[in-house]
Amino acid sequence: KAGVTQTPRYLIKTRGQQVTLSCSPISGHRSVSWYQQTPGQGLQFLFEYFSETQRNKGNFPGRFSGRQFSNSRSEMNVSTLELGDSALYLCASSDRDNEQFFGPGTRLTVL
Amino acid sequence: AQSVTQPDIHITVSEGASLELRCNYSYGATPYLFWYVQSPGQGLQLLLKYFSGDTLVQGIKGFEAEFKRSQSSFNLRKPSVHWSDAAEYFCAVGAASGATNKLIFGTGTLLAVQP
Repeated sequence: KAGVTQTPRYLIKTRGQQVTLSCSPISGHRSVSWYQQTPGQGLQFLFEYFSETQRNKGNFPGRFSGRQFSNSRSEMNVSTLELGDSALYLCASSDRDNEQFFGPGTRLTVL
Repeated sequence: AQSVTQPDIHITVSEGASLELRCNYSYGATPYLFWYVQSPGQGLQLLLKYFSGDTLVQGIKGFEAEFKRSQSSFNLRKPSVHWSDAAEYFCAVGAASGATNKLIFGTGTLLAVQP
């Protein structure tokens, strides 16, 4: 099976812009979670989608949003970008038992 | 509060030496426990997991971990480190209830391997 794919791999934006990141889970996996990784805060949970429904949400401002489509692909959106949003955004998919498989991440740089 | 503590930020070992990375957790419910490894610029790769049963679990690349409920610990070990093991290692805890796949991660331990 193909692994979790994330697009794009690298992204450069300026403050105030918005960005959409995409994640394609492993075939058959219905759960997709998103994490933000920064040197200062480490790995932080953003949100989780299961069968197109947001099942859990981390402590991030409303500028961070996501959705999941019927084919389990997921997107996350960040509006009004701030310098502090620069991070590696990781997507993980799971089919059962909380065993999650991570994609390579999208490196977002906000200038 | 739910949390994972990895007390060692950076560890350096010689190639061929044994390794133990420490992990302590605080979690209100029955936890699932994981160790992930991350190479520079890459995503996370699952090394091993503990769900239930035998408290000594074997993983990939020769790693093992022991769950000690009384100490709330899940330390990672390897008897002989290879240069390719240099990476960052993350301990994580998740809910065993199945209601969510949210993981809480420790801050990571960066492993350097000396020749």
